[in-house]
Amino acid sequence: KAGVTQTPRYLIKTRGQQVTLSCSPISGHRSVSWYQQTPGQGLQFLFEYFSETQRNKGNFPGRFSGRQFSNSRSEMNVSTLELGDSALYLCASSLAGMYAGYTFGSGTRLTVV
Amino acid sequence: SQELEQSPQSLIVQEGKNLTINCTSSKTLYGLYWYKQKYGEGLIFLMMLQKGGEEKSHEKITAKLDEKKQQSSLHITASQPSHAGIYLCGADRNGGSQGNLIFGKGTKLSVKP
Repeated sequence: KAGVTQTPRYLIKTRGQQVTLSCSPISGHRSVSWYQQTPGQGLQFLFEYFSETQRNKGNFPGRFSGRQFSNSRSEMNVSTLELGDSALYLCASSLAGMYAGYTFGSGTRLTVV
Repeated sequence: SQELEQSPQSLIVQEGKNLTINCTSSKTLYGLYWYKQKYGEGLIFLMMLQKGGEEKSHEKITAKLDEKKQQSSLHITASQPSHAGIYLCGADRNGGSQGNLIFGKGTKLSVKP
């Protein structure tokens, strides 16, 4: 079966712009979570959605937001981009049961110039 | 807050040698995950451990969760160049399963042919 699909794979944006990243989970998975990975901070949790509702949110500013659609596809948006937002953004999908496991996508590499 | 400490940070081994990577938690682990990552790419799921004393193997990789559920080890037998990459341990934060994983900083493994 198809894995977790993230688009686009690479993105270059200018400071101050906004960006939207997309994540299509494995069919049947209703939980989608987002992570930011940087060399300095490693992997950090952004937020998690289940059945179109945000259940958990990490410690990121309000410029980072997300949503989930009825087909479980999710988008995350970053407004007013800063140089420090340059990172690999990963999403993971899960069946959402206890210890169901998380499957990650290949990520979107965002570069802010 | 819970933290995961991985050791060593990096490892260079000769092909054919065995190696062990450790992951130590500041709190009891509920659901410990091992992932492998090639630079700049997504995370590949290796194994998940839940119960104290649990041990799982896949091909030449074995992972264990100690009885007290605060440390896990990943052991690779007869390493090959294909094992090279970054190994990450992750854990469900606070015993939940809502996509809110914390991760160690990773162990970078290089295998010399």
